[in-house]
Amino acid sequence: QKEVEQDPGPLSVPEGAIVSLNCTYSNSAFQYFMWYRQYSRKGPELLMYTYSSGNKEDGRFTAQVDKSSKYISLFIRDSQPSDSATYLCAIAGGFKTIFGAGTRLFVKA
Amino acid sequence: DADVTQTPRNRITKTGKRIMLECSQTKGHDRMYWYRQDPGLGLRLIYYSFDVKDINKGEISDGYSVSRQAQAKFSLSLESAIPNQTALYFCATGAQGQETQYFGPGTRLLVL
Repeated sequence: QKEVEQDPGPLSVPEGAIVSLNCTYSNSAFQYFMWYRQYSRKGPELLMYTYSSGNKEDGRFTAQVDKSSKYISLFIRDSQPSDSATYLCAIAGGFKTIFGAGTRLFVKA
Repeated sequence: DADVTQTPRNRITKTGKRIMLECSQTKGHDRMYWYRQDPGLGLRLIYYSFDVKDINKGEISDGYSVSRQAQAKFSLSLESAIPNQTALYFCATGAQGQETQYFGPGTRLLVL
């Protein structure tokens, strides 16, 4: 079993839709949770960062962590074609970071 | 200018050749990392360094070596390239005490 599981997609939505991206993880020792966005032929860039459980909002993006279920989510409101990218979740702690394989998202104009 | 730069951006080489990928950063971070990315497998850690005198193997270090020449420079070598090392390679940096990482633009490597 992979330490972080993420549906690879692709996920295709119309412009303006609410997008939900999810990951599950197996090791409850991790305390830090990140989402990275990767455009085609670019390096991943940090999008959201949360510590422990709860929600964090930044503009159209909301990151949610449920440690009891070992489940992390990223919500994108009013999705735009410019949101089309691969989204990678990551969990970290104790000098170790594990990345999900990424979900490809397409937002159609 | 980009905070994390990688050279070359693209490289084609032949089986058995030695090649070096270079990474430089202007973020002033102590931690530097090398990853490879393959479709469906995500990012896998090859080596990491928490300061100039510190080098650690990641989960897939076999066939690779690294050198931390300075705080700002971290290079990855493939001693004798093989076709299954064809991948996208990323360098990343991180500040001490923080879990977030900052990635370079990547090097696309093809081993024939």
